[in-house]
Amino acid sequence: GESVGLHLPTLSVQEGDNSIINCAYSNSASDYFIWYKQESGKGPQFIIDIRSNMDKRQGQRVTVLLNKTVKHLSLQIAATQPGDSAVYFCAETSNDYKLSFGAGTTVTVRA
Amino acid sequence: DAGVIQSPRHEVTEMGQEVTLRCKPISGHNSLFWYRQTMMRGLELLIYFNNNVPIDDSGMPEDRFSAKMPNASFSTLKIQPSEPRDSAVYFCASSIQENQPQHFGDGTRLSIL
Repeated sequence: GESVGLHLPTLSVQEGDNSIINCAYSNSASDYFIWYKQESGKGPQFIIDIRSNMDKRQGQRVTVLLNKTVKHLSLQIAATQPGDSAVYFCAETSNDYKLSFGAGTTVTVRA
Repeated sequence: DAGVIQSPRHEVTEMGQEVTLRCKPISGHNSLFWYRQTMMRGLELLIYFNNNVPIDDSGMPEDRFSAKMPNASFSTLKIQPSEPRDSAVYFCASSIQENQPQHFGDGTRLSIL
């Protein structure tokens, strides 16, 4: 069946460095993608989204890249801070509402 | 601005008991979602409401689970009778419309003994 997955389950980053979190998806019909951040004891927090008619979108310290040819999505975090330590999920949908979530990547920021 | 509000934050009860989880979506959002998160299965959509009407309940595990949305500002997820395998974190999310970002509450951590 269709699935959304992440390439790496954990990522350790030095404070101040840039982070890159990757995500592969298999549903070629997916047209809306979202990145979420989840801290311990809290719900997923919306970070940034991108639709399939774009290949790049920037927010505050974050950039999402979409490569539809290879069905790959990435989240780049600039100047990673201790507060960025969390689990990051990519999610995708092809029908506007039914999100499929990846397994999540745990990001740990080293001081 | 107030986000999605869920109650209770934690619930511990014995198997066989009825459990009711509550959710207040963000004001003005017309789409509401109930999810379940476990280590084994990750985040799973249970049910989706649009304008208070259930649109997709294909993720509801079995008849023991039911959800209602009597008005635009309140929804409940009920489990009766509860079983230990229902233990999980249950999240409610809302979006301004269905093709917009979903915003999550902080969840209810449910433990069935």
